[in-house]
Amino acid sequence: DAEITQSPRHKITETGRQVTLACHQTWNHNNMFWYRQDLGHGLRLIHYSYGVQDTNKGEVSDGYSVSRSNTEDLPLTLESAASSQTSVYFCASSKRQNTGELFFGEGSRLTVL
Amino acid sequence: GQNIDQPTEMTATEGAIVQINCTYQTSGFNGLFWYQQHAGEAPTFLSYNVLDGLEEKGRFSSFLSRSKGYSYLLLKELQMKDSASYLCAVSPPSGTYKYIFGTGTRLKVLA
Repeated sequence: DAEITQSPRHKITETGRQVTLACHQTWNHNNMFWYRQDLGHGLRLIHYSYGVQDTNKGEVSDGYSVSRSNTEDLPLTLESAASSQTSVYFCASSKRQNTGELFFGEGSRLTVL
Repeated sequence: GQNIDQPTEMTATEGAIVQINCTYQTSGFNGLFWYQQHAGEAPTFLSYNVLDGLEEKGRFSSFLSRSKGYSYLLLKELQMKDSASYLCAVSPPSGTYKYIFGTGTRLKVLA
C-alpha cells in the first residue's frame, strides 16, 4: 500500500544545532507540504512543493528550509534550532491542486532544549 | 485576510448527535475540508464540500453555505471512538496551495 512516512518520530536537540526531518511518500504525489502543529494555533504551513526542484515558503517559513530532488522526498531542515521550534511537525502530500485531500505522515515531535 | 473559527471543545453522550460548526472569512475560496485527528495521531480526511448543501457519508455529514461563510460537521450515533479533534480547513483558490486550518474542536464522547 502507498504511504507517507516521517522520521524520526521523536527527537530532542539543543539550541543552535541543525536538524533534518525526513518525509517520504510512495503515493507518487506531486504536491508535498510541511506543517507544524502547536496548541492554540492549529496546523500552520511551513513550506510546500508542487514538483521536483520546486519549493515555496508558507506562513511560518523563517528558520526552515526544504529541498525537492525527487518526487518521493521532502526533507525539512532547521538550520539553527530554537526553542520556539519545539513542536509537532507533519508532512503531507496531495494528488491534485488544492481540491485534493491531504494525506498526512504520522508526525515528528521535536523538542529543542 | 483569512480566518477560521471553531469551538475549542465539545462534549456529547454515546449514541447522541453532535454538530461541530466552522465559520470562515477568506479572500478566496475553493472548497472546505473536514479532518479527524485522534490524540497523538495524524489528521485523516473526512469530507470535502465545494457546493452548498449537505454531503452525507455514513454516520458523518458535512454542510456548506458559501454565502454565509459557514460549515458544520454532523456526527450521528456517536461512539466512544469518535472522541477526537475535528479540523476545519479552507481550500484556497486554484494556483495556490495554502490550505488554511482552524485550530480544531476537541470532542469528548461520554458513556
